[in-house]
Amino acid sequence: GAVVSQHPSWVICKSGTSVKIECRSLDFQATTMFWYRQFPKQSLMLMATSNEGSKATYEQGVEKDKFLINHASLTLSTLTVTSAHPEDSSFYICSAPKTGKIYEQYFGPGTRLTVT
Amino acid sequence: AQKVTQAQTEISVVEKEDVTLDCVYETRDTTYYLFWYKQPPSGELVFLIRRNSFDEQNEISGRYSWNFQKSTSSFNFTITASQVVDSAVYFCALRQGGSEKLVFGKGTKLTVNP
Repeated sequence: GAVVSQHPSWVICKSGTSVKIECRSLDFQATTMFWYRQFPKQSLMLMATSNEGSKATYEQGVEKDKFLINHASLTLSTLTVTSAHPEDSSFYICSAPKTGKIYEQYFGPGTRLTVT
Repeated sequence: AQKVTQAQTEISVVEKEDVTLDCVYETRDTTYYLFWYKQPPSGELVFLIRRNSFDEQNEISGRYSWNFQKSTSSFNFTITASQVVDSAVYFCALRQGGSEKLVFGKGTKLTVNP
């Protein structure tokens, strides 16, 4: 079946540094990918829609200069948290829809970011 | 606007009990899709079911069953004879027909005690 991977699965970084998270669709192409953030014991909140070959679309309240998204190819989207602060510590999850006979959206395993 | 409400924040049951997780949704679209996902402690979302707005048939898959009622805008999920491995957070989600975005409810944490 279709699989979406994320790397790294967890990362600890110091305040002020930048962190890049990769999301890959492993056996299908995805022109669109989604990035979610999940704080402890809370729901998934959509941050942005990553579009291959064009700019990402950010949800209201999400700083596009802080959360840089690049959809470099049909199988890879990256989220860079720039100048990270402790309040950016969260669980980041990507998803990629696979179209076809049955539409299905596949989620990556998530990346846990801790900013110290 | 779309909205998904899971009123139950946490539920605790004893193994072998039946448990129903509630989901109420709001949408103006006539075409939409409803989902249930399971998130175990590892964090990875596990897809359980998708239902489109034109299919109100209830579904059963092993110990899992889903009751979709458009009249009450509800899509409830029942686990029969619960097991400890069912312990997880369960999310209900909604997608409008013309969009790929998913709107999630706040989730219900289910704890099944031995």
